[in-house]
Amino acid sequence: DAGITQSPRYKITETGRQVTLMCHQTWSHSYMFWYRQDLGHGLRLIYYSAAADITDKGEVPDGYVVSRSKTENFPLTLESATRSQTSVYFCASSAPSGGSYSYNEQFFGPGTRLTVL
Amino acid sequence: TQLLEQSPQFLSIQEGENLTVYCNSSSVFSSLQWYRQEPGEGPVLLVTVVTGGEVKKLKRLTFQFGDARKDSSLHITAAQPGDTGLYLCAGGRGTSYGKLTFGQGTILTVHP
Repeated sequence: DAGITQSPRYKITETGRQVTLMCHQTWSHSYMFWYRQDLGHGLRLIYYSAAADITDKGEVPDGYVVSRSKTENFPLTLESATRSQTSVYFCASSAPSGGSYSYNEQFFGPGTRLTVL
Repeated sequence: TQLLEQSPQFLSIQEGENLTVYCNSSSVFSSLQWYRQEPGEGPVLLVTVVTGGEVKKLKRLTFQFGDARKDSSLHITAAQPGDTGLYLCAGGRGTSYGKLTFGQGTILTVHP
């Protein structure tokens, strides 16, 4: 199906374990983003990517690693999960319009609810 | 840091009432989006405004971008229970690799 998908939708893990959240989009959008959403903090940007093999830190990158070997995939890895990383994680994608100007419209996946015990 | 202050944070109203949500910043944005998010789902784009003073209508929802492109408002006329959700404003700058600055959100509950 076309669109942006995330897997798993729900994940429970233990402190210290490595966890990878998957994100896949079928629009061939250049830009992709990872956010976490917590009560009282809204959406906070973890990492973003402008294209395959180009990634950069967002507002809260500590404890997370990303890669983007293919345009359509943007996995997020928690190398050693901590309780503070319990959150809902959203992946989003965006396509620049013609030329250098973009309206920055983003399209979100359904989210992954991660619980770290 | 470009901040977007959204108010109110919570809004609980009866069906049929009107309401306005505000999104304010000291920074200029090249575009301003409004998203709606329902429980268990990702935010869904409602509208994008890009011109100072621009007004867009989506059925009972009216969106306005301030003349200076630093603020925006969302007005809902005759709210319905189906309008219940989290409303997020987000500002963009064309040269920032597509990044958005999000407001904290307004949780709207419309009681039948």
